Amino acid sequence: DARVTQTPRHKVTEMGQEVTMRCQPILGHNTVFWYRQTMMQGLELLAYFRNRAPLDDSGMPKDRFSAEMPDATLATLKIQPSEPRDSAVYFCASGLDIIPNEQFFGPGTRLTVL
Amino acid sequence: AQSVTQPDIHITVSEGASLELRCNYSYGATPYLFWYVQSPGQGLQLLLKYFSGDTLVQGIKGFEAEFKRSQSSFNLRKPSVHWSDAAEYFCAVAPGTGGSYIPTFGRGTSLIVHP
Repeated sequence: DARVTQTPRHKVTEMGQEVTMRCQPILGHNTVFWYRQTMMQGLELLAYFRNRAPLDDSGMPKDRFSAEMPDATLATLKIQPSEPRDSAVYFCASGLDIIPNEQFFGPGTRLTVL
Repeated sequence: AQSVTQPDIHITVSEGASLELRCNYSYGATPYLFWYVQSPGQGLQLLLKYFSGDTLVQGIKGFEAEFKRSQSSFNLRKPSVHWSDAAEYFCAVAPGTGGSYIPTFGRGTSLIVHP
């Protein structure tokens, strides 16, 4: 059945390194969301794409985070340079831009920055 | 802007007992409402949703939720809990008119099931 896939599932890196997380949305979906989940903050929206165009990235630290959709089958979230406070689980979700907006979540990438 | 409150951080129930998880929202008009479940190490999965019509909605895994406009609530219920229901539950609200329909999630309620 159709699922959102995310790679890698786990990533351990050292502070200062670049991290790239990838997401493959469900085929035919035209909206993509990136979320970060931590115990302290819960689920935070980082970025939102519709038809590959970024519509909302107000929740994303602009100095180190970037999100792109090179094509309709791939969304990326990059952190450069990474910091220990970036340690979290990062989720990608996709959906159809129709009323209402139901989201389908991927399994997440657990990032640990040492 | 909309907001969601899940008053209970943790709920503990015995297997076979009934369950109610609370969700209150703040939004000026009728919103779209969702309940998601997150099992350990997994992403969120939609349990049920309310958009309009019948205020009692049925979802997967035997869950139901009732939209009460007067109380701005959308509580999740299950008549008999199974051990496999132990998970984190998230309520979400999205604007019902205009806007980008981006949902706002509550902080979640962790359900613990005792045998």
